[in-house]
Amino acid sequence: RKEVEQDPGPFNVPEGATVAFNCTYSNSASQSFFWYRQDCRKEPKLLMSVYSSGNEDGRFTAQLNRASQYISLLIRDSKLSDSATYLCVVKLAGTYKYIFGTGTRLKVLA
Amino acid sequence: DAGVTQSPTHLIKTRGQQVTLRCSPKSGHDTVSWYQQALGQGPQFIFQYYEEEERQRGNFPDRFSGHQFPNYSSELNVNALWLGDSALYLCASSPGAKNIQYFGAGTRLSVL
Repeated sequence: RKEVEQDPGPFNVPEGATVAFNCTYSNSASQSFFWYRQDCRKEPKLLMSVYSSGNEDGRFTAQLNRASQYISLLIRDSKLSDSATYLCVVKLAGTYKYIFGTGTRLKVLA
Repeated sequence: DAGVTQSPTHLIKTRGQQVTLRCSPKSGHDTVSWYQQALGQGPQFIFQYYEEEERQRGNFPDRFSGHQFPNYSSELNVNALWLGDSALYLCASSPGAKNIQYFGAGTRLSVL
């Protein structure tokens, strides 16, 4: 089983739609969680950290469910510029490495 | 304020050759991590350097080695290149013990 699993997509959604991605992780010692965004042939960029109580940044909402070992990302009112690959990232307690999922590809259609 | 910078941006090598990639961290960052990203995959952790020492290593063979300099910049060396080493190599820096890593634009390595 992969340490971090994501549905690769693509998710094709119309502008203005709400879309949600889930990501599951296998190691209960996972300590820190992030969503990164990666545009085609570019570097990953931090979208948001994910906190236990859930957090929101504008149109983006992240949730963490430790009991079921998954994190989610909700994007409201999708824009064409949201088209990208969204990478789920987990860091284990006591380690220094980030473990990335394979990413979920989102296409927002006009 | 310059972000993480990597050089070169693209590189073409042949099997068996050796390559050195370079990374300058974001200002104020003292920790550098290296990742390999194959096409269609997420980045895979190679190793992390802090205080000029390799602090943690991922599941990569000894052909992959690195170095960190007193100014916190870093190099990634790969020996005996083979076709499967073709990938985007990403450098990420972070400030001390803080978790958040910031990535450079990467070096795209093609091994023919």
